[in-house]
Formats: sequence, structure tokens, C-alpha cells
Amino acid sequence: ETAVFQTPNYHVTQVGNEVSFNCKQTLGHDTMYWYKQDSKKLLKIMFSYNNKQLIVNETVPRRFSPQSSDKAHLNLRIKSVEPEDSAVYLCASSSGLGVPSAETLYFGSGTRLTVL
Amino acid sequence: AQSVTQPDARVTVSEGASLQLRCKYSYSGTPYLFWYVQYPRQGLQLLLKYYSGDPVVQGVNGFEAEFSKSNSSFHLRKASVHWSDSAVYFCVLNNYAQGLTFGLGTRVSVFP
Repeated sequence: ETAVFQTPNYHVTQVGNEVSFNCKQTLGHDTMYWYKQDSKKLLKIMFSYNNKQLIVNETVPRRFSPQSSDKAHLNLRIKSVEPEDSAVYLCASSSGLGVPSAETLYFGSGTRLTVL
Repeated sequence: AQSVTQPDARVTVSEGASLQLRCKYSYSGTPYLFWYVQYPRQGLQLLLKYYSGDPVVQGVNGFEAEFSKSNSSFHLRKASVHWSDSAVYFCVLNNYAQGLTFGLGTRVSVFP
């Protein structure tokens, strides 16, 4: 079965620590994304990555950085986490060109981060 | 700027009853509209999408949605819900330039 896989499912850490979340898609898509879903279920795009082109939402703090080894993988690193980083982080992929259009996004199951 | 409003944060229905989830959007151009569902502890899954043609679109699991340009709406419906339909449903607006705008979601609880 092909899909979007995220690890870990949950992560609890303390303020100031560094964390890294993994995402892999087996759909053969060219574009991957990271979304942040807050406690009110609001989703906001953080990054999209297509053919080594990174599109960054300018509101994302610099402590967040995406890391990609190939088009099937897009990891998310957070240096020095802060309490407001507590959220669910959703990885997604599409066959589009980096800006979601009418393309369907396929989401992973999410990584729930809790910062103490 | 584009926006999506889902006026009902929570909806409770009995199994077998019909369901309608409301979605209103604000966008000056031709919208691409989606409904996604998020089951507990899972990611979002596409139910259906619309960007042209017949304003009533069919989706998975018996869901359908009707687009109305005059009302700026894209309401989701299901004739008879099952307990497994309990989830959070997101209405999503997309345009090529600005990307996706998600509504805040409607949590549906289906009781036996």
C-alpha cells in the first residue's frame, strides 16, 4: 500500500531541545509539504519542496527547517523548541508543482509535539 | 484575501440520519474547493473536490457536496450516516497563487 508515512506519532520534549520529524511518501509525487495544525484544528502551511526548490511560508520562525535527501523524503527539524510549537505537524505530498492547486494532497497521520 | 467559514464547530447526529455540513467561502475568482476528513489520530483524507462542471459532486463513502456560486457555498451532505463517520471535516479553498485555506473544521459525532 502506498501512502505518506510520518514518524514519530508523538513526541514530548522540553523547551530548548532540538527535535526532528521524518516523512516519507511512496506515491511517486514530486512535491511534499509540511503543515502545522494547532489546538483549534487550524492548518497552516509551513513549507513546500519541489525539485529542490523550497517555498517557505514567511511567517514560519527560523528555528524550523526542512531537510530533504530526495523527492520521497522531507523531514522537519526544529532547533530549540518553544511552548507555542506544541501542535500536530502534518506532512503531505502531491504530484503538483509546489503550490497546491487543484491537485489532491495526500496527508500522513501526523506527529503530535508537546513542549513542556 | 480568500477565506473559508465553517459555522458549525460541532454537529451531533443519530446513526442513520442525514447530515449536512456547511461551508461558506470568500474568493473573487473561480475557486477550487475540497472537503477533507480527519479520523481520530489520522491524517486528512480527501472526500471530494470541485473546480468546474456539475455543481453537485460525488465523493467517497456516500458523501456529496453542492457548489453554489451565488451563495459562495460548498455544503457537504450524506443521506444516512454511520458511526464510522464520526470525524472532523474540513472545507478547503484553493487558488494557485495563495495555496490552500482551511476552514476550522466541523467535528461530527454519530450516536447509535
